[in-house]
Amino acid sequence: QKEVEQDPGPLSVPEGAIVSLNCTYSNSAFQYFMWYRQYSRKGPELLMYTYSSGNKEDGRFTAQVDKSSKYISLFIRDSQPSDSATYLCAMTDLAGGTSYGKLTFGQGTILTVHP
Amino acid sequence: EPEVTQTPSHQVTQMGQEVILRCVPISNHLYFYWYRQILGQKVEFLVSFYNNEISEKSEIFDDQFSVERPDGSNFTLKIRSTKLEDSAMYFCASKAAYGYTFGSGTRLTVV
Repeated sequence: QKEVEQDPGPLSVPEGAIVSLNCTYSNSAFQYFMWYRQYSRKGPELLMYTYSSGNKEDGRFTAQVDKSSKYISLFIRDSQPSDSATYLCAMTDLAGGTSYGKLTFGQGTILTVHP
Repeated sequence: EPEVTQTPSHQVTQMGQEVILRCVPISNHLYFYWYRQILGQKVEFLVSFYNNEISEKSEIFDDQFSVERPDGSNFTLKIRSTKLEDSAMYFCASKAAYGYTFGSGTRLTVV
């Protein structure tokens, strides 16, 4: 089983739609969960950062973590053409002693929002 | 907003040549990382660096790879003898307490 699984899509939605992006993971030690946005041939840009289970909202973006199901989600409300990018989930245990917080990434989901 | 700077943005090298990829992390960050992304594949961890030494490395990071922080600002990744399969985007990242910031990457093409 892969450590982090993410449906690569591609996902195409009309402008204004609600977008749901998801990842599952197998390592129960993961405690910190991130969503990154990546434009073509650019570095990942941090969108959301959550610790443990729960929800976090930032503008049009909502991140959810369900540690019992090992499942995380990112919701984008009122999607815009400028949201078109690849969305990567990433996670870490930040155990410190042996792990110094290396990130494990999902495959990335390619999202296109068309006008 | 502080950013991680990587140079060059694109490097073409002949197989067997040595390359050095350079990064300037955010100044008050303490943890430094190199990741790579082969075209169409996941972003993969290579190495982490803390307190002037490697703290963790992946299976990819073999003897052909080395990292250095030669002064207080630069962080470099050296590949001693490049192979075709080293062609990828290489990302530098730095971290303070929790937030990771990535650079824009160096696209390495080995021919």
